[in-house]
Amino acid sequence: DQQVKQNSPSLSVQEGRISILNCDYTNSMFDYFLWYKKYPAEGPTFLISISSIKDKNEDGRFTVFLNKSAKHLSLHIVPSQPGDSAVYFCAARKDFGNEKLTFGTGTRLTIIP
Amino acid sequence: EAGVAQSPRYKIIEKRQSVAFWCNPISGHATLYWYQQILGQGPKLLIQFQNNGVVDDSQLPKDRFSAERLKGVDSTLKIQPAKLEDSAVYLCASTRRQGQETQYFGPGTRLLVL
Repeated sequence: DQQVKQNSPSLSVQEGRISILNCDYTNSMFDYFLWYKKYPAEGPTFLISISSIKDKNEDGRFTVFLNKSAKHLSLHIVPSQPGDSAVYFCAARKDFGNEKLTFGTGTRLTIIP
Repeated sequence: EAGVAQSPRYKIIEKRQSVAFWCNPISGHATLYWYQQILGQGPKLLIQFQNNGVVDDSQLPKDRFSAERLKGVDSTLKIQPAKLEDSAVYLCASTRRQGQETQYFGPGTRLLVL
C-alpha cells in the first residue's frame, strides 16, 4: 500500500525555468510533509517542509504548497539551476512525536543547461 | 559538524551469507534510524532507536534482520541469512532528539546479494 505517491519518475526542465514536482498521499492522518533531495551515492538531504496547518512554505528558490482537501503537495523550484539535478523524495509523517517517515518513490529532476 | 558515517559503502555477498552494516550518527543525536531503499522505491523504515532502546521495529523482518545500539551511540544492522530480495541501499539517519522533524542521513551501504 503506497501511501505517498510520486507519479512522475522523471522530469526535465530548462535552466532558469520553473520545476514543479508533485506528490499525492492517501492517509489523512499525515500532518507534516517534507521534501528530501538525493544526489547519486549520497544519502537524502532535507530540503523543505510544511505543516498541515499551512498551505505554503517558502525558502529561497524553493516553495512547497499543500492542498489538504486534495491530499496533494507540490515543490516549486524557481529558477531551476543545474545543481538542482537530483532525485527528490516526498515524505510524510503522522503526528508530532512519531517521527516515522513514509517516503514516496522519488522523481528524478534533470535541469538542462 | 561531522555527518552520519556508514560503512562499508558497498558489499557483495552470496545468498544465505551473513552481512553487517555499521552506523555512527552525528555526535549528540539520540535518535537513530535504519532504512532500506530498494531500487526504484523510497526509503522504508526498518527500525528506530531512542538512545539504546527500540522505539519502532514493526517493519524489521526479525527472522533474518537484527539491529543493536548497545551504548546509545553507534549501531549495527545485521542480515543472517541474506536473500536475493535484500539487495538494496541501507541508509542510517539520526536526529538530535525524538520529535525533531529533520532526519540527517548517511551515504548508505549498497548491498548486492547474488
